[in-house]
Amino acid sequence: DTGVSQDPRHKITKRGQNVTFRCDPISEHNRLYWYRQTLGQGPEFLTYFQNEAQLEKSRLLSDRFSAERPKGSFSTLEIQRTEQGDSAMYLCASSLSDWETQYFGPGTRLLVL
Amino acid sequence: AQKVTQAQTEISVVEKEDVTLDCVYETRDTTYYLFWYKQPPSGELVFLIRRNSFDEQNEISGRYSWNFQKSTSSFNFTITASQVVDSAVYFCALSEEDTNAGKSTFGDGTTLTVKP
Repeated sequence: DTGVSQDPRHKITKRGQNVTFRCDPISEHNRLYWYRQTLGQGPEFLTYFQNEAQLEKSRLLSDRFSAERPKGSFSTLEIQRTEQGDSAMYLCASSLSDWETQYFGPGTRLLVL
Repeated sequence: AQKVTQAQTEISVVEKEDVTLDCVYETRDTTYYLFWYKQPPSGELVFLIRRNSFDEQNEISGRYSWNFQKSTSSFNFTITASQVVDSAVYFCALSEEDTNAGKSTFGDGTTLTVKP
């Protein structure tokens, strides 16, 4: 069984550009989460999906951020008009259902110049 | 609101020493889950343990052990006979059943350095 995968692993972009990240959860995991981690801090919750339904979004998720999970399998996180403050590690996690352990992918490290 | 505090920012030990990483949490829910994750230099968070609020039994897994005490809202993690490969950032996390529907709140982590 493969774990959670994320693509790309690293992304460097210029301020104002749009970026999109992809997450492939563990198969049959219904829950998919996105977190953001900055240097010296723990992951912060951004949003999560139950199958294809996006159930909650954090206040951290401004209007420039959008996430989808179109068929309840993989998910994408798009950031429009990137800002330097968006530079962080973006982590994806999946779990079988409520309250089950979340398993994390390797993350996508974003640097906005 | 849920909160996790890991007061120790950095710990440095010499190989074979025992080390305890502290975790204190705040929650209003009666049903919740606590986790420890390891984040090595490669960056991927590795799951170590999950406990629910009704199970206060301490757990041992090899050189790892966990002490869960509801009375002090603590869930501490001890590594016995530490090894260089234990060097990593360790995160404690909390999920509430009623209030926050399973999403986790993480502490800021403790960076453990084990020197040979």
